[in-house]
This record gives sequence, structure tokens and C-alpha cells, in this order.
Amino acid sequence: AQKITQTQPGMFVQEKEAVTLDCTYDTSDQSYGLFWYKQPSSGEMIFLIYQGSYDEQNATEGRYSLNFQKARKSANLVISASQLGDSAMYFCAMREDYGGATNKLIFGTGTLLAVQP
Amino acid sequence: EAQVTQNPRYLITVTGKKLTVTCSQNMNHEYMSWYRQDPGLGLRQIYYSMNVEVTDKGDVPEGYKVSRKEKRNFPLILESPSPNQTSLYFCASSPARYLTSYEQYFGPGTRLTVT
Repeated sequence: AQKITQTQPGMFVQEKEAVTLDCTYDTSDQSYGLFWYKQPSSGEMIFLIYQGSYDEQNATEGRYSLNFQKARKSANLVISASQLGDSAMYFCAMREDYGGATNKLIFGTGTLLAVQP
Repeated sequence: EAQVTQNPRYLITVTGKKLTVTCSQNMNHEYMSWYRQDPGLGLRQIYYSMNVEVTDKGDVPEGYKVSRKEKRNFPLILESPSPNQTSLYFCASSPARYLTSYEQYFGPGTRLTVT
């Protein structure tokens, strides 16, 4: 069964340092997408970055990059030069692309990141 | 501005009193979905809709109903709410194209408390 695992319930990082948030996934589908969302204390879900299973290059969006290791089924989020505003809950999610039907996202349990000054 | 709106944002109600959480999107998206978020469980899909009059159950549909009479609206109905439905609810929408790097757009969330 498809599953997303985030093993770090909480993390601390010093301001301006880089941090890696771990995500592993389990799927038997060949075509899938991996997403990272940020949820600040205000509660909204903010899309950060996407990686398709057939993308050969790791995705990057500004200070966010996704370290995609397909053979290991991992999709870690790297935040460079952390800022205080990065303090939030981060969710890894997967969408399986079978059959062109549902666009369902399967979420991990999240990692709470605290950036310290 | 492209957006998904939900109402109400906060709701406290009592067991058994029927309620509806509305969701509307202005992006002409085919696909809409409801998720609930609970501590330690992440977000789980309740129901989804691929288009008007097409709905199906997600992973945790018990106690919920939905309808999709118009493309832009996808209300979530709790006929007889119970305390275990206390949660943060999100509506999401996206185009129904599955092989492109599109995101799902999330509403701001509705925090529901059932006493």
C-alpha cells in the first residue's frame, strides 16, 4: 500500500544554516509525484516543491531543493540558509498517477521545524 | 486572484446538529477534494470529486457526505456530527491532469470542534 514516512517529528536549526527534512515513500506505481507543503502556525497549506518520478534532475525552488533518490524511495527536502519564517510544520506527500483517475495526495505525519536565532 | 475559499473558518457545534462546510474555487478545476488533519496522522482524504456529479469516497468517509452540483462548489456535510469529527478540514482543488507538475490548491482550513 502507498505510504509516506517522515521519521523526524521535530527538528531545530540555527538561522542561516541548511536543514534536511527526511521523507521516504512506498509505492508500486511507476508514475507518481512527490510534493512538499509548509504549514505555518496560521494553518494554511503552502505548496513548496514538486518532483515527478520520471524527472532526472532534482527539483529546486529558490531556497528549497528536493533530494530525490528513486532507488531508495526517498524525497528529502533541503532548505538552505534557514530563516525565522521557515519555522513551521512540513508535510511530504505523494500522488500516484495510475489510470488518470484520482488526484489523491497521501501525506506523511509531518516534521515540525523550529529555526533558532 | 486564484483561490479556494472555505466557510466557516471556525465552528463549534454540538453532537448531532447537522452542519455544512462550504468550499468554492474560482479556477475552473475539475478535481476537488476534502481532507481532515489530525495530530500525528497528517492529512487524510475524506471524499473527492473528479467533476460535476462525480464523487467518490476517500480513506475516511464515514460520517460525511458531499455533493458536486456545480463545478466551483464542493460542500462537506456532517449529518450528525460526533466528537471524533473534531478536526481541521481542508478543501483542495486541481486540474484533472495527472502527468503534469501541478499542485493542489488548498483552502485556508476550517477548524471544527464538536462537543
